[in-house]
Amino acid sequence: QVQLVQSGAEVKKPGSSVKVSCKASGGTFSSYAINWVRQAPGQGLEWMGGIIPLFGTANYAQKFQGRVTITADESTSSAYMELRSLRSEDTAVYYCATSLRFLEWWLGYWGQGTLVTVSS
Amino acid sequence: EIVLTQSPGTLSLSPGERATLSCRASQSVSSSHLAWYQQRPGQAPRLLIYGASSRATGIPDRFSGSGSGTDFTLTISRLEPEDFAVYYCQQYGNSPRTFGGGTKVEIK
Repeated sequence: QVQLVQSGAEVKKPGSSVKVSCKASGGTFSSYAINWVRQAPGQGLEWMGGIIPLFGTANYAQKFQGRVTITADESTSSAYMELRSLRSEDTAVYYCATSLRFLEWWLGYWGQGTLVTVSS
Repeated sequence: EIVLTQSPGTLSLSPGERATLSCRASQSVSSSHLAWYQQRPGQAPRLLIYGASSRATGIPDRFSGSGSGTDFTLTISRLEPEDFAVYYCQQYGNSPRTFGGGTKVEIK
C-alpha cells in the first residue's frame, strides 16, 4: 500500500522560501497526478497545483503562478512544492495528494500534512 | 476558473437523520469530474465520492453522490456519530482543480 510521507514542519521569515517534500513509500507514482493543497488555520481547502511526473509539466492555480514551483523526481518517488516570497497569509498546512490512478485527478491518498508558519 | 458554491454553510442534525449537501458550479463540470471529501478536526481530508457518484474504497453505502452539469449532491442516509465533520466538493475536470468552501455537519 502506497503511503505519502511529507517533510516536517517549518518556520519561515516573511520574504523567504520554503520547499516541502512528499515521498511515496511502498511504491512509485510516476504515472499519477501529484497535487498540492493547502489549508490556512480555520479555513477551507485550496488547490495550488499539480504534476504528473511521467510528463514532467506542472500546472498551477493562477493565484500562485510565479511564486510556486512543483517538481518531481521519479528516481526517488518524490515530489516537491517550493513557495517563494512568503507572507503571513501563507501560514497553512500543506498537503500532497494523489489518486494512484493514471490521469485521474481526484485525491484518494493524502500525505500527513506539513505545517508552514510564516512569522517575523 | 470554475467556482464551486456549497450550501448550506452549516447543517445541524441529529444522529440517525438524513443529510443533504449541495455543490453548485459556476459552469458545467466536464464528464462529472466531481469529488466529495470528509475532513474531521486535525485530520487530512478523506475521499468519499469521485466521478460524482462512485464511492471510494471502504466508504459505507450510507454515503451517496448524485448530479451532473452544474448541480451535485452528497447524501448521508443516516448520520452516524463519526459523520459529524466538514465536507468539501472539488471539481477535477479542469485546471485549476477548485474546491468548494465546505459544509459543516454538526450535532443538533
